[in-house]
Amino acid sequence: AQSVTQLDSQVPVFEEAPVELRCNYSSSVSVYLFWYVQYPNQGLQLLLKYLSGSTLVKGINGFEAEFNKSQTSFHLRKPSVHISDTAEYFCAVSRGSGGSNYKLTFGKGTLLTVNP
Amino acid sequence: DVKVTQSSRYLVKRTGEKVFLECVQDMDHENMFWYRQDPGLGLRLIYFSYDVKMKEKGDIPEGYSVSREKKERFSLILESASTNQTSMYLCASNPWDSYGYTFGSGTRLTVV
Repeated sequence: AQSVTQLDSQVPVFEEAPVELRCNYSSSVSVYLFWYVQYPNQGLQLLLKYLSGSTLVKGINGFEAEFNKSQTSFHLRKPSVHISDTAEYFCAVSRGSGGSNYKLTFGKGTLLTVNP
Repeated sequence: DVKVTQSSRYLVKRTGEKVFLECVQDMDHENMFWYRQDPGLGLRLIYFSYDVKMKEKGDIPEGYSVSREKKERFSLILESASTNQTSMYLCASNPWDSYGYTFGSGTRLTVV
């Protein structure tokens, strides 16, 4: 079984400051990793994903994440946040291809609040 | 763009009612999923389907059933709604050979 732990439930930051949202996973097999963002009163939108290859993954809106296999982590970073980045962020893991392996297991979410 | 449409944005139902939540996707995706989202608990998988008439239980299927008679439509059924099923329900889909979901906007269900 796989699981995802998002280490912070809330992260308040000031505008233009850097931010890191932390995610750790556990799995006995190789995994695929994702970050999703949910703006207020909306569904979830894919920010970025790690499937294979380079461990540094770049996504939309200036976000990036680094896959660290030895630490089983996939932390999300942005060097300078904007007010519009205020949202809830979800880390998710999948076992990969084929049938039920596509299903995602989500963390509990991190609410990022960007203050002026 | 792929669209996943959930028929109702807000729904209020009474305890004991049978409730249908509908989800339609327009991109011929094989896989479809129903999650519920609760504060502090994240998203939890209720049921998923990887083909027409195929379904598998997720992590919290109790009190729910699903129907997938056509590829584009995946319905979540609450046989007898209870107050602990008050939640945000999210539908998602993806193609057979791809990763990452496309989500609908969600249905916020209140059971009174």
